[in-house]
Order: sequence, then C-alpha cells, then structure tokens
Amino acid sequence: EAGVAQSPRYKIIEKRQSVAFWCNPISGHATLYWYQQILGQGPKLLIQFQNNGVVDDSQLPKDRFSAERLKGVDSTLKIQPAKLEDSAVYLCASSLTPNQPQHFGDGTRLSIL
Amino acid sequence: DAKTTQPTSMDCAEGRAANLPCNHSTISGNEYVYWYRQIHSQGPQYIIHGLKNNETNEMASLIITEDRKSSTLILPHATLRDTAVYYCIVPTGANNLFFGTGTRLTVIP
Repeated sequence: EAGVAQSPRYKIIEKRQSVAFWCNPISGHATLYWYQQILGQGPKLLIQFQNNGVVDDSQLPKDRFSAERLKGVDSTLKIQPAKLEDSAVYLCASSLTPNQPQHFGDGTRLSIL
Repeated sequence: DAKTTQPTSMDCAEGRAANLPCNHSTISGNEYVYWYRQIHSQGPQYIIHGLKNNETNEMASLIITEDRKSSTLILPHATLRDTAVYYCIVPTGANNLFFGTGTRLTVIP
C-alpha cells in the first residue's frame, strides 16, 4: 500500500512570509496528525483530525498556524506569518482509527531565513 | 508528558541482538506500549506494540515484564540499517504520542 505522501520535501522562506504544506494520508485512514519536529528533539503533536473534524489542537499556535482537512482525506497546514523559531520538519501521520498505529510521511523540512 | 524513560544511547555489534530497555512504571492497566524508530531524514516508523503479552513481528520482539512497569525491544540480528533513534511511547488521550528523546542506537560493523 502507498504510504503517507507529503509535499514539498523542502521549503525555504523568509520570516513573516506564508507557507503551506500538503499531506495525503494512506487510503482509508480516518485519523490524520500533524507534528512539528525541531532539530534534536522528538516530534510534537500539533493537531489531530478524525475525518474532517478536529480532535485535538491544544498544541497548535493558533495565532499563526492553521490546518484543514475539508473532505476528510487530504490536509494542509499553513503558517502565516512565519517566525524564525518555526524552522523544523513538519510531519504528517495517519492511522486507520485513533487506536491504531500511526504511519508517518517523511516530512517537509522548513527553513526560515 | 513523558511517561517513559529510556537510555540516551546504545551501541550494538552488527549481527548481534539489540536489546533496548524502557521503563514505564506509571502505566495504567489498559495502556499499550508502542515502539517507533526514526532513521535519519525520515519520518518515524512504527515497529510494534503490546499490552501485557510478549509480541513478535517481522521487525522485532517486545518483552513486557509481568508487572508491566518496563519492557524491552529486541532486534534479533541488528544490521547497519537499524541505526536509528528508538522511541518507547505510552499514548495518552486520543492516541497522542509523546516522543521524548528516545534511545540512539548505533550498529557497529
């Protein structure tokens, strides 16, 4: 089966610019997650969707980050405006149900200049 | 928040078994233990999970102590491609994975 697809693989922007990341989960997976991984640290959950509804966004900096999963399949994560501390790898994961193992994409590496 | 404790790093000779320990002394009776690994420049990869019985799959074995306060992930014949950071996780909430810093396993030729 095809894995979780993410794009772009790399992105470089200047601070205060906007950026968007795209994720296509494994087919049939109802639960989708976005994580932020800062260099040298483990991934940190930003937001969790169940179909097209938000289950947990308690760690999402809502003043600048937004995410959507309009049709319950693909998802986008946006940062507007970006700050230097947003430099990180943004990982998308999906699972069949909330209680099943999560499968990760290889992430988007974001660099802020 | 972290509910597990792991050594920061370990080495293992190629072809030997790699035994990675994890302490989860505050685990509840219905909470699973999950193991993931992350190879450099890749996303985390699910390895195995268990509740109280030992588990084995094509990648690894998971040994959970009878009191469930600790577990060991075993890679039976480590290869260079097993060099990675290994995370032991007890999910919270709705499958919320707190990754912590994990154990950096280096397989030595």
